[in-house]
Amino acid sequence: DVKVTQSSRYLVKRTGEKVFLECVQDMDHENMFWYRQDPGLGLRLIYFSYDVKMKEKGDIPEGYSVSREKKERFSLILESASTNQTSMYLCASSLLGGGLYEQYFGPGTRLTVT
Amino acid sequence: TQLLEQSPQFLSIQEGENLTVYCNSSSVFSSLQWYRQEPGEGPVLLVTVVTGGEVKKLKRLTFQFGDARKDSSLHITAAQPGDTGLYLCAGDLRAGANNLFFGTGTRLTVIP
Repeated sequence: DVKVTQSSRYLVKRTGEKVFLECVQDMDHENMFWYRQDPGLGLRLIYFSYDVKMKEKGDIPEGYSVSREKKERFSLILESASTNQTSMYLCASSLLGGGLYEQYFGPGTRLTVT
Repeated sequence: TQLLEQSPQFLSIQEGENLTVYCNSSSVFSSLQWYRQEPGEGPVLLVTVVTGGEVKKLKRLTFQFGDARKDSSLHITAAQPGDTGLYLCAGDLRAGANNLFFGTGTRLTVIP
């Protein structure tokens, strides 16, 4: 059974804290993605990576950074959390080749910044 | 402004009714996918359409890709409570592009 796991289901942090969200996939996928999900806005892409140490900005990269040191692991970093980063964060992975391949999602991390 | 707009944003219907969800854009997509997301879970792929005018059926769900590949629709016949969830369309602007653009979502509730 294919699986994408995220380190936390719920997270509460204070404004200004550094936050790490971890994602691990066991499918040997090349692509990994970080999205944030907000009501009425669907999923918006923050960053994606198509290979180890490679990263590409998505639609809303401001205030975020990422790290991919191993193929199976993709981390999202909030350098200094702000209240407007309160959201649901979803990680996904897929084979190379974009829209012809399914993206497999983790269950999400609901982050609250107070 | 989102690249893919879905309508309606919310839909609440009685079990047994039919419904259609729309996914529209001014951009042309190489392919388009539909996902369903249930509470507490990540989205799960339902279907991928790649050819303009293509129609795919998945039991009571019918998916259509517009002739111009700018829009898509999802039609559910005789909706059941198990169809409840958030429906998301997603498309890629260029064949082989690794990233997808997701729609704004339609939250469907089917009342028993």
